[in-house]
Amino acid sequence: GNSVTQMEGPVTLSEEAFLTINCTYTATGYPSLFWYVQYPGEGLQLLLKATKADDKGSNKGFEATYRKETTSFHLEKGSVQVSDSAVYFCALSDRGGATNKLIFGTGTLLAVQP
Amino acid sequence: EPEVTQTPSHQVTQMGQEVILRCVPISNHLYFYWYRQILGQKVEFLVSFYNNEISEKSEIFDDQFSVERPDGSNFTLKIRSTKLEDSAMYFCASRFTDNSYEQYFGPGTRLTVT
Repeated sequence: GNSVTQMEGPVTLSEEAFLTINCTYTATGYPSLFWYVQYPGEGLQLLLKATKADDKGSNKGFEATYRKETTSFHLEKGSVQVSDSAVYFCALSDRGGATNKLIFGTGTLLAVQP
Repeated sequence: EPEVTQTPSHQVTQMGQEVILRCVPISNHLYFYWYRQILGQKVEFLVSFYNNEISEKSEIFDDQFSVERPDGSNFTLKIRSTKLEDSAMYFCASRFTDNSYEQYFGPGTRLTVT
């Protein structure tokens, strides 16, 4: 079945450091890929998405590129801020059909220190 | 900006009691979902709902669970006889159409079963 594997956290960085959170997936067909962010005490917010191979999703300085050849969708940011501290979830969705349920990775806790 | 809302934010109940978690999806969305997140674990799909019927449910969604869209705006999740292991954060999500794969999540209801 479809699955998502994320690097384990927590990831602790100093402000302005470069961030990479690895995500790989297993899926039949051509899924859509997402990164969601969960700030402390809050729900899930869509951070960025990519719907086909080589697409790059970007938002708030975060980027991720849909790599079909390596089945990866790694999240990157050039310079993190304290306010980026949150749990980041990689997810995929089967395309088509009445379901399109999301399958999530385990989440990666990012802690950014001033 | 339209958003998904959920009530209550926190529900405490005794084992064996029935609970109803309520969600108001974004008004023009057509697909509705419930997910849950046990503390410290990944977000798990429970059920999807489209055209007034369940389109897919997970193994977690057994006979104790039911969903309903009683009117044009609310979407509810009922747990008939709660168990300790039902304690989790429950998220409602909605999606617009077949061609838009991103789901928008509510802030969640924290259910505590004692």
